Amino acid sequence: GEDVEQSLFLSVREGDSSVINCTYTDSSSTYLYWYKQEPGAGLQLLTYIFSNMDMKQDQRLTVLLNKKDKHLSLRIADTQTGDSAIYFCAEINSNYQLIWGAGTKLIIKP
Amino acid sequence: GAVVSQHPSRVICKSGTSVKIECRSLDFQATTMFWYRQFPKQSLMLMATSNEGSKATYEQGVEKDKFLINHASLTLSTLTVTSAHPEDSSFYICSARNRGSYEQYFGPGTRLTVT
Repeated sequence: GEDVEQSLFLSVREGDSSVINCTYTDSSSTYLYWYKQEPGAGLQLLTYIFSNMDMKQDQRLTVLLNKKDKHLSLRIADTQTGDSAIYFCAEINSNYQLIWGAGTKLIIKP
Repeated sequence: GAVVSQHPSRVICKSGTSVKIECRSLDFQATTMFWYRQFPKQSLMLMATSNEGSKATYEQGVEKDKFLINHASLTLSTLTVTSAHPEDSSFYICSARNRGSYEQYFGPGTRLTVT
């Protein structure tokens, strides 16, 4: 079935790069997404990547997709305290429904 | 662009009453809207998918008579929690997409507390 997995926590020092990893099972997904959720708030679409791409860069964000291994990663360069949030990986199925990972809580150490 | 609003942001109601939550796409036509429920420190649980002008498709285990969804226009969907009970207390989030688009935008969520 459809499943998306990601680790629950990541702790990094301010100024370092954060790399959040995600694996998925549905090889037919056309798009994969990263969403950010701050405490008590809704979800913000950070970025997404089409399945025929290997990499997408948008300012401090870099998404890498390894379709063979069904592995997606989000790299945040120069991590700031404002990046503290839960980051959700999601893939889309044929009904346009998003299949969600459990979310990775990014903790920034000073 | 691509803003989705929800109203109210917070609501407290007594057990047995009904609560309506609105989800609006402000600057695009939302042919499909999704309703999610999120428990504390957990991921989102898809409750139902609604296409404009059609009946909503509910996920397994979601009571359609309890969670009434109406998607009457291309910019508005409503979720009504009928005869609410304390176990319905949760964070409800809607999202919307336009036909042909793979981008899905989320509302800010509604915190429902049933006393």
